[in-house]
Amino acid sequence: DQQVKQNSPSLSVQEGRISILNCDYTNSMFDYFLWYKKYPAEGPTFLISISSIKDKNEDGRFTVFLNKSAKHLSLHIVPSQPGDSAVYFCAASVQGGSEKLVFGKGTKLTVNP
Amino acid sequence: DVKVTQSSRYLVKRTGEKVFLECVQDMDHENMFWYRQDPGLGLRLIYFSYDVKMKEKGDIPEGYSVSREKKERFSLILESASTNQTSMYLCASSSNRDSAPLHFGNGTRLTVT
Repeated sequence: DQQVKQNSPSLSVQEGRISILNCDYTNSMFDYFLWYKKYPAEGPTFLISISSIKDKNEDGRFTVFLNKSAKHLSLHIVPSQPGDSAVYFCAASVQGGSEKLVFGKGTKLTVNP
Repeated sequence: DVKVTQSSRYLVKRTGEKVFLECVQDMDHENMFWYRQDPGLGLRLIYFSYDVKMKEKGDIPEGYSVSREKKERFSLILESASTNQTSMYLCASSSNRDSAPLHFGNGTRLTVT
């Protein structure tokens, strides 16, 4: 049973526009959410996180929104740049524990120049 | 900056061979993890360790074992490699601090023929 779902395997966006990556979860016990970015032939790198006590967290061009009632979070990248082209993984955990981190299957973002 | 180093980027092994994947981290992190990444399946946890000589099964431990004799080193062992273990293997570490993110190595692409 997939607890963290990224329903779009891929997304293509023009440079300068907004990229919106979506993630849904089913486990209401999840209270900490993270986004990782992965380039080919490299390991995932931590991008941004949000605790369930917040509904928004911003870091430069990256903003994560959390809608607890809908069990949905999204990552907004604005403006999108070609260097943002990568696979983005959504992950969730209970009580912030990294040993219980559950990953989605990833969304491949392509930003076209 | 945290550095997680995986000893091999690419490995080709034959069915039935015993395979060792090595991982070293330099940030004195308590927790270490082994994941595998497969297309369409995302990241799946094989084993993790929260202390020297301690290990816990993840979601897909069958066919694997691990060893953690020193805090900085976490080894993944395939006792008898099979073709369905062909995959990208990712090592990660994290501290015990609440909500600490995972830091990943660059991965080992293992092919079992």
